[in-house]
Amino acid sequence: QKEVEQDPGPLSVPEGAIVSLNCTYSNSAFQYFMWYRQYSRKGPELLMYTYSSGNKEDGRFTAQVDKSSKYISLFIRDSQPSDSATYLCAMRQAGTALIFGKGTTLSVSS
Amino acid sequence: ETGVTQSPTHLIKTRGQQVTLRCSSQSGHNTVSWYQQALGQGPQFIFQYYREEENGRGNFPPRFSGLQFPNYSSELNVNALELDDSALYLCASSMASGEQFFGPGTRLTVL
Repeated sequence: QKEVEQDPGPLSVPEGAIVSLNCTYSNSAFQYFMWYRQYSRKGPELLMYTYSSGNKEDGRFTAQVDKSSKYISLFIRDSQPSDSATYLCAMRQAGTALIFGKGTTLSVSS
Repeated sequence: ETGVTQSPTHLIKTRGQQVTLRCSSQSGHNTVSWYQQALGQGPQFIFQYYREEENGRGNFPPRFSGLQFPNYSSELNVNALELDDSALYLCASSMASGEQFFGPGTRLTVL
């Protein structure tokens, strides 16, 4: 079992839809959870950073962490064509390297 | 504030050659981490440098080596290149164990 599992998609939605992206993990010691957005042939861009369980909202983006279920989510409201990208979840313990999921490819059509 | 920069943008090498990739960290950051991202995969941790010392290493062979300089910029060196080394190499900078910010990457093709 991989430490971080993420459905690679692809996921296709119409403009304005609510998008839900998810990752599961096996290491209960993970404390820091991140979502990165990566456009084709570019470096990952940090979208959300969450410590431990709970919700965090930033504009159209909401990150949720459920440590009891080892499950994290990213919600995108009112999705736009510019949101079309690969979304990577990442997590780590204190003082250790990031462990990434494979990424989910999202396409938002106008 | 200057973000993370990497050079070159892309390069092509042949099997058995050596390559050096460079990274300049974001202003104020003292930690640099290197990742390898194969096509269709998430980034895989290679190693991290903190104040010029290696501070953690992933599951990569010794032919992957690095340096960090007093200005916190960094190099990744790969010897005896193999076809499977073809990937996007990403550098990320941070303050110690804080949030990591990535550069645009160097795309390496090994023929």
